[in-house]
Amino acid sequence: GAGVSQTPSNKVTEKGKYVELRCDPISGHTALYWYRQSLGQGPEFLIYFQGTGAADDSGLPNDRFFAVRPEGSVSTLKIQRTERGDSAVYLCASSSWRGGGYTFGSGTRLTVV
Amino acid sequence: DQQVKQNSPSLSVQEGRISILNCDYTNSMFDYFLWYKKYPAEGPTFLISISSIKDKNEDGRFTVFLNKSAKHLSLHIVPSQPGDSAVYFCAPTTAYSGAGSYQLTFGKGTKLSVIP
Repeated sequence: GAGVSQTPSNKVTEKGKYVELRCDPISGHTALYWYRQSLGQGPEFLIYFQGTGAADDSGLPNDRFFAVRPEGSVSTLKIQRTERGDSAVYLCASSSWRGGGYTFGSGTRLTVV
Repeated sequence: DQQVKQNSPSLSVQEGRISILNCDYTNSMFDYFLWYKKYPAEGPTFLISISSIKDKNEDGRFTVFLNKSAKHLSLHIVPSQPGDSAVYFCAPTTAYSGAGSYQLTFGKGTKLSVIP
């Protein structure tokens, strides 16, 4: 596609439920990132994929968060036993080269009630 | 522990004037500095960057200045236009010295309003 696509754009879930957020990067981009932006804050790094493997998952807050990219393109961020503090905009970005900026999607706004 | 500080949450500027957005950082390992612009309900958009071997980079109306000794950078927009109204994020990284992911560390952002 022309840009990074994230679905759904909005997700409301009950505390304790499981959610999956999807990211479809720009075709051919090998690097894929997940960030989380809470209200009034800048985006915070969660995880980075180079190809199919998670090359750096140091930003994942705890073991309730997990992400996969099985075929090196689409990625899914999975959150188990959601908590109200997980409410944020989850941003995905992709890049074809190391240097310069990478391209963000519009994000998924997750609300845990 | 905030590694990147944008101390002005908001800034209002008259159309045609200069906008100056500031950013301070504490991590001396940062060697590549990016600015992103964000409109509501959209993802951040890359605007301009500068490497630590330079002290200035210019792209049209946008110029970024880097003062490594002061760990300070600034983004100048001249002349400012109403379409520049957005939130601007400073986002440095360790692109050349880091071993890993080229992850960005974002500041909290500065909301720029350009008044017609």
